[in-house]
Amino acid sequence: AQSVTQLGSHVSVSEGALVLLRCNYSSSVPPYLFWYVQYPNQGLQLLLKYTSAATLVKGINGFEAEFKKSETSFHLTKPSAHMSDAAEYFCAVSEDTPLVFGKGTRLSVIA
Amino acid sequence: DTEVTQTPKHLVMGMTNKKSLKCEQHMGHRAMYWYKQKAKKPPELMFVYSYEKLSINESVPSRFSPECPNSSLLNLHLHALQPEDSALYLCASSLNTGELFFGEGSRLTVL
Repeated sequence: AQSVTQLGSHVSVSEGALVLLRCNYSSSVPPYLFWYVQYPNQGLQLLLKYTSAATLVKGINGFEAEFKKSETSFHLTKPSAHMSDAAEYFCAVSEDTPLVFGKGTRLSVIA
Repeated sequence: DTEVTQTPKHLVMGMTNKKSLKCEQHMGHRAMYWYKQKAKKPPELMFVYSYEKLSINESVPSRFSPECPNSSLLNLHLHALQPEDSALYLCASSLNTGELFFGEGSRLTVL
């Protein structure tokens, strides 16, 4: 069965520092992988998605993620954190069924 | 139009009330979803409609009753809810089983 594991329920970085949010997936076939962001009291917004076209995926707001099959990982990165990046981030996987979400990682950005 | 619109944004109801949540999309998506999200948790799938037919019911209690009147509309009828049903209810749509487009959610409080 497909699943994702997000390492770290809470990550705190300084403004301007590198953001690294970790996601490992489990899937029996090449999956579709997604990162969503959720700001307080809002719905989920797609940051980026992997659909096998390219292993390095660029998304909105300066985020990107690299699909590494050998490590079954799809970590999310951003070179320089902004205060506005503070939010909850969800990794998700899809094979032939609706998206399965990870437990989420709350990102805090310190001024 | 790339939006999923949910109404109302906030709803407070007693345990004996009957109310409905509404969701609308005009992207031509043929799959629509209801998710329930508790605080600091990932969204949990409740129902999936595919081509206006209920395709997935994740063992949701019968006090939640979904309805898909047409390909653009999705309702969630609520009756005799419990305080523990208080949550953010998210509607989403998709072209297939990949990327989901989410609404802003309806915040439900059951007194």
